[in-house]
Amino acid sequence: LAKTTQPISMDSYEGQEVNITCSHNNIATNDYITWYQQFPSQGPRFIIQGYKTKVTNEVASLFIPADRKSSTLSLPRVSLSDTAVYYCLVGESGGYQKVTFGTGTKLQVIP
Amino acid sequence: DGGITQSPKYLFRKEGQNVTLSCEQNLNHDAMYWYRQDPGQGLRLIYYSQIVNDFQKGDIAEGYSVSREKKESFPLTVTSAQKNPTAFYLCASSRAGGYNSPLHFGNGTRLTVT
Repeated sequence: LAKTTQPISMDSYEGQEVNITCSHNNIATNDYITWYQQFPSQGPRFIIQGYKTKVTNEVASLFIPADRKSSTLSLPRVSLSDTAVYYCLVGESGGYQKVTFGTGTKLQVIP
Repeated sequence: DGGITQSPKYLFRKEGQNVTLSCEQNLNHDAMYWYRQDPGQGLRLIYYSQIVNDFQKGDIAEGYSVSREKKESFPLTVTSAQKNPTAFYLCASSRAGGYNSPLHFGNGTRLTVT
C-alpha cells in the first residue's frame, strides 16, 4: 500500500478556498486516491475519489498531476462547519483489501 | 434510508469484563470492518470481513474477537485480554472492499473501561 503524507493541521478563514495536499510518492499504477472527512465523535464520510487529472463533485475538487505522486483536495469557500479532520488514502481498486487510515489533516476554520 | 447502525453510543464496563459492540448494516455490502480510534489519532484496523463466515485480522487484533454469521451483522467483542480497551470504536462496510469502493461508517461506540 502506498504511504501518504499530509500536513498535521491547517487554519483557514471562513469564505476562503482551502487546499490540502497529500504526497504519495510510491503510488502504483492501479491505485486510486480517496479523501474522507471526519467530524468529532462521528465516523469518517467519503468526500471524493479520483485516478488522474481533476474530479469535481458538489462538495470538493480533487486535483491529481500527471505523475500522480501527489494530490490536492480543494474545498471552495469554507464555512465553520467544514472544521474537521481530512484523510487521504491511496490504494488499489477492486478486490478485498485492508483499508487503513493515517492521522489526517485537522482543518480549523476561523470566523 | 440505508446505513450502518452501531449500538450503544456510549458503553461503560468494569475491567476484566468482556463486552460486545453491535454493528448492523442494511446496505447489502459484502465487506465489513472494525476500527479503533484513540484521542487525536487516526483509525487503526482491528478486523475485517469479506464475506459471511470469514474474517481476517487487521493491524491490532489482539484482545478482540469477531463473528460474521449474517451478511448484515459484524459484532465485535472486546475481551479482558485487551490491555487498553477504552477507545472510540467505528464499524464500516463497503460493496466489494478495496479503495474504489468507498467505506460507509457508523457513528461509533465510545467504550470506557474502569
